[in-house]
Amino acid sequence: DQQVKQNSPSLSVQEGRISILNCDYTNSMFDYFLWYKKYPAEGPTFLISISSIKDKNEDGRFTVFLNKSAKHLSLHIVPSQPGDSAVYFCAASDAGNNRKLIWGLGTSLAVNP
Amino acid sequence: EPEVTQTPSHQVTQMGQEVILRCVPISNHLYFYWYRQILGQKVEFLVSFYNNEISEKSEIFDDQFSVERPDGSNFTLKIRSTKLEDSAMYFCASSPREGFGNEQFFGPGTRLTVL
Repeated sequence: DQQVKQNSPSLSVQEGRISILNCDYTNSMFDYFLWYKKYPAEGPTFLISISSIKDKNEDGRFTVFLNKSAKHLSLHIVPSQPGDSAVYFCAASDAGNNRKLIWGLGTSLAVNP
Repeated sequence: EPEVTQTPSHQVTQMGQEVILRCVPISNHLYFYWYRQILGQKVEFLVSFYNNEISEKSEIFDDQFSVERPDGSNFTLKIRSTKLEDSAMYFCASSPREGFGNEQFFGPGTRLTVL
């Protein structure tokens, strides 16, 4: 089951530069997309989300872009900070009532000082 | 800031034994979820719970699994007869509402090890 794919298992970025994390999906019924950040030994922490009626959502240093025709979304972190080093998960939710989340495998981001 | 809590943080059990994983969701939330993550694999949905009943369950959530909200605060996941393949991190999540903006808030997880 590969409905949500994060094809880059890891990403390394210099502090102060932009981090771009990518996510692809296959299910056109998905209407809500979320990014979670996870540190070791902790649960996922909600970061930012976007509904399918928008193509961009911004919250401070974090921006999510959605390209519905390409079934692709990306998370931009500008500027990247060492504390951003974590595993980032893309998750999607379909139009059903129960809003279960379908997850990607995650991308491990390392921000180097 | 309110948070979801889970106990225990780590549970070791023998195959065939029953385990109960406990969660205290955020107090004004209405929707509750269990997910699990086997090492190296994706986070997988197990079950959602609303208004004191299961809303949806995955194929993983077979007759060996059950959930309960025994009082106003706890939300438990029971595995009746554990198997080796049940070894995973189990995450509880809660959400205040459904519809757009249904961000789910996760607990720190319980690591279940079945020997």
